[in-house]
Amino acid sequence: GDSVTQMEGPVTLSEEAFLTINCTYTATGYPSLFWYVQYPGEGLQLLLKATKADDKGSNKGFEATYRKETTSFHLEKGSVQVSDSAVYFCALMDLTGYSTLTFGKGTMLLVSP
Amino acid sequence: NAGVTQTPKFRVLKTGQSMTLLCAQDMNHEYMYWYRQDPGMGLRLIHYSVGEGTTAKGEVPDGYNVSRLKKQNFLLGLESAAPSQTSVYFCASSYRQSPLYFGPGTRLLVL
Repeated sequence: GDSVTQMEGPVTLSEEAFLTINCTYTATGYPSLFWYVQYPGEGLQLLLKATKADDKGSNKGFEATYRKETTSFHLEKGSVQVSDSAVYFCALMDLTGYSTLTFGKGTMLLVSP
Repeated sequence: NAGVTQTPKFRVLKTGQSMTLLCAQDMNHEYMYWYRQDPGMGLRLIHYSVGEGTTAKGEVPDGYNVSRLKKQNFLLGLESAAPSQTSVYFCASSYRQSPLYFGPGTRLLVL
């Protein structure tokens, strides 16, 4: 079945550091890929998405590129802020099914001033 | 436009009690979902619905029932709560093959 693997956290960075959170996936078809962010005590918010190979999703300074050859969708940001501290979830949607999302286990990011 | 709302926000149950979690969306989405979030487990799909009057099982459906009598509402029921059902429950909705929009969550503690 479909699965998503994320790097374990917490990831601890200083403000203005470069961020990478690795995500790889296993899917039988050609899924859409997503990053969601969860701030403390809140629900999940869509951060960015990519629907086909080589697509780059971007939002709020975050980027991720859909790499079919390496089945990866790594999240990057050039300069993190304290306000980026949250849990980040990578997810895939199998477009041949009923549009359900399969999530990774999440990666906590902690940014210190 | 409230998006996806969930009721209640927090609940404490004793083992064996029953309860219903309510999810409502005002975006006219066809698809609705219930997920549970547990530490170190990410989010796991409990049940979902692709339209009014239809429901289907997800990854972890045991101990839960759902109903979708109206397009905008999706109810999750626990008939006999168990401590293993202590979790944070998230409802979501979407159009087909589109991103899911999540509610704020319901924290459930079963003693």
